[in-house]
Amino acid sequence: GQNIDQPTEMTATEGAIVQINCTYQTSGFNGLFWYQQHAGEAPTFLSYNVLDGLEEKGRFSSFLSRSKGYSYLLLKELQIKDSASYICSLFDSNYQLIWGAGTKLIIKP
Amino acid sequence: TAGITQAPTSQILAAGRSMTLRCTQDMRHNAMYWYRQDLGLGLRLIHYSNTAGTTGKGEVPDGYSVSRANTDDFPLTLASAVPSQTSVYFCASSAGLGGDEQFFGPGTRLTVL
Repeated sequence: GQNIDQPTEMTATEGAIVQINCTYQTSGFNGLFWYQQHAGEAPTFLSYNVLDGLEEKGRFSSFLSRSKGYSYLLLKELQIKDSASYICSLFDSNYQLIWGAGTKLIIKP
Repeated sequence: TAGITQAPTSQILAAGRSMTLRCTQDMRHNAMYWYRQDLGLGLRLIHYSNTAGTTGKGEVPDGYSVSRANTDDFPLTLASAVPSQTSVYFCASSAGLGGDEQFFGPGTRLTVL
């Protein structure tokens, strides 16, 4: 079957670094996305990985290992406004987008 | 530009009634999607459309129908609402079906009593 696992909730301190992991099992793979969703709002795109390695975009970086079925989102210099849910999603072999349940990240001063 | 808009913002609906959730995008995107999001669960795809005139079923299509008469509009209809359809509904669009990011509307919060 197809499955995406990510932690339900994480807590971190303002100014620190946090890594949110995502593991997946899928019948095929055509790319992995990370989205951010603030409470009561719509998801917004953060990153897209289709090849192995690290993609850096400002304070956010995303890593992919296709052989391990593993990705992580790294957030640096955390700010209070980074408190949100972070959702891992991927395209399977049929280009159907499968969504994880999201990781609620709480940033404390 | 407005991007993607949805209407209404929220609605309380009696069970058995019908309702259409509206979605309009002005980005000339080919692909459009309807999701529902329930507490503790990931976004679940209801229906999608690759391009105007075509639609497809997603993971949870039962009880819902869609149409895509033109590029911009993608309405979602509940023919006879049931309480299990209480959810937040998001419409999204992307340039294509492949590795393109999806842009989401603000959502419609629907309560079926």
